[in-house]
Amino acid sequence: AQSVTQPDIHITVSEGASLELRCNYSYGATPYLFWYVQSPGQGLQLLLKYFSGDTLVQGIKGFEAEFKRSQSSFNLRKPSVHWSDAAEYFCAVGSIFSGGSYIPTFGRGTSLIVHP
Amino acid sequence: DGGITQSPKYLFRKEGQNVTLSCEQNLNHDAMYWYRQDPGQGLRLIYYSQIVNDFQKGDIAEGYSVSREKKESFPLTVTSAQKNPTAFYLCASSLNRGTDTQYFGPGTRLTVL
Repeated sequence: AQSVTQPDIHITVSEGASLELRCNYSYGATPYLFWYVQSPGQGLQLLLKYFSGDTLVQGIKGFEAEFKRSQSSFNLRKPSVHWSDAAEYFCAVGSIFSGGSYIPTFGRGTSLIVHP
Repeated sequence: DGGITQSPKYLFRKEGQNVTLSCEQNLNHDAMYWYRQDPGQGLRLIYYSQIVNDFQKGDIAEGYSVSREKKESFPLTVTSAQKNPTAFYLCASSLNRGTDTQYFGPGTRLTVL
């Protein structure tokens, strides 16, 4: 069965420092991969997604992610973190459900804390 | 403005009562989804619908029911059979397939007293 692992529950960084959030997936075929961000008490917003092609994907708010098939990873990066980036981040893999539809399966999330 | 609305934002119910959460979208999306979010568990799929008058169970459908009578509406009923209903509920929609970007509503926090 498909699954997503985000090994870090919390990550703390200083404002201006670089960031990398880890995501590992388990899926038999070529995966569809997503990163979403959630501010407290709000819904989720898509940061970026990978379906095929260039393995380095650019997203909104200065985020990027790199798909590495050999490591089954899709880590999210940002070169310089802003205080407004503090939020919960979710990695997801598109999985086939009954009826043949792809539905994202979400990881447990990583909470990003930004120190001034 | 196009988007997804969920109401109410906070909902309280007594044990043994059914309650219905509203989800409306004006994005003209075919697919709609309901997720449950608990602390430290990420999002888990309850139900999804790819088209009007059709819906499929997700991973944790027991104790929940849905309907999709209109394209723009996908209400979720939390029944008294749901053993632990206190959670944050998120509705989402996408244009068509699951590979399309999902757009999420602001969520409803349900608390059972």
